[in-house]
Amino acid sequence: GAGVSQSPSNKVTEKGKDVELRCDPISGHTALYWYRQSLGQGLEFLIYFQGNSAPDKSGLPSDRFSAERTGGSVSTLTIQRTQQEDSAVYLCASSSGTSGTTDTQYFGPGTRLTVL
Amino acid sequence: AQKVTQAQTEISVVEKEDVTLDCVYETRDTTYYLFWYKQPPSGELVFLIRRNSFDEQNEISGRYSWNFQKSTSSFNFTITASQVVDSAVYFCALGGGYQKVTFGIGTKLQVIP
Repeated sequence: GAGVSQSPSNKVTEKGKDVELRCDPISGHTALYWYRQSLGQGLEFLIYFQGNSAPDKSGLPSDRFSAERTGGSVSTLTIQRTQQEDSAVYLCASSSGTSGTTDTQYFGPGTRLTVL
Repeated sequence: AQKVTQAQTEISVVEKEDVTLDCVYETRDTTYYLFWYKQPPSGELVFLIRRNSFDEQNEISGRYSWNFQKSTSSFNFTITASQVVDSAVYFCALGGGYQKVTFGIGTKLQVIP
């Protein structure tokens, strides 16, 4: 079946502009995660959605970052007033479990964001 | 707090050599899960294995094998007879309790033909 998809694959923007990154999880997966991977770094957790529950936003680095998940499926990560330090690969993952901490996550190909 | 340490940042081996990627973890949870993911140059993380803390049996899948040692808090990954297609960044991760999954910084493996 189809895996996790993300769009766009690459995004170049100017400092100060807003960007929206999209994630389409595996069909039927109730959990959705966003991570940020800076060059040569590990994965930094951003936000976690589980079903219709309130999301865990504990990893969002600033109030310029927000995310929503419509209809329990597609998610959009929005970065307002982008800064150069926001340049990174943004990875989305989904899982079928309800744990959020121990379930296997399946990742999308990522969106490479470059802020000039 | 959870912590995952992958002390080897980069490893280079010649094709057909065996290579072991180290992963050491810290957690206060008694029940936890360990994962390995592969990130090839294309960028997409590929799930390799999930192991719970109560199962210390070693796992073998083709040329891949994993050695889980609770006594040393390690979950090492060995690739036997490495191939060029094994070149990637490999991430070890830990999840458990109320902690989010914690990823190590990854080990970049280069297999030289």
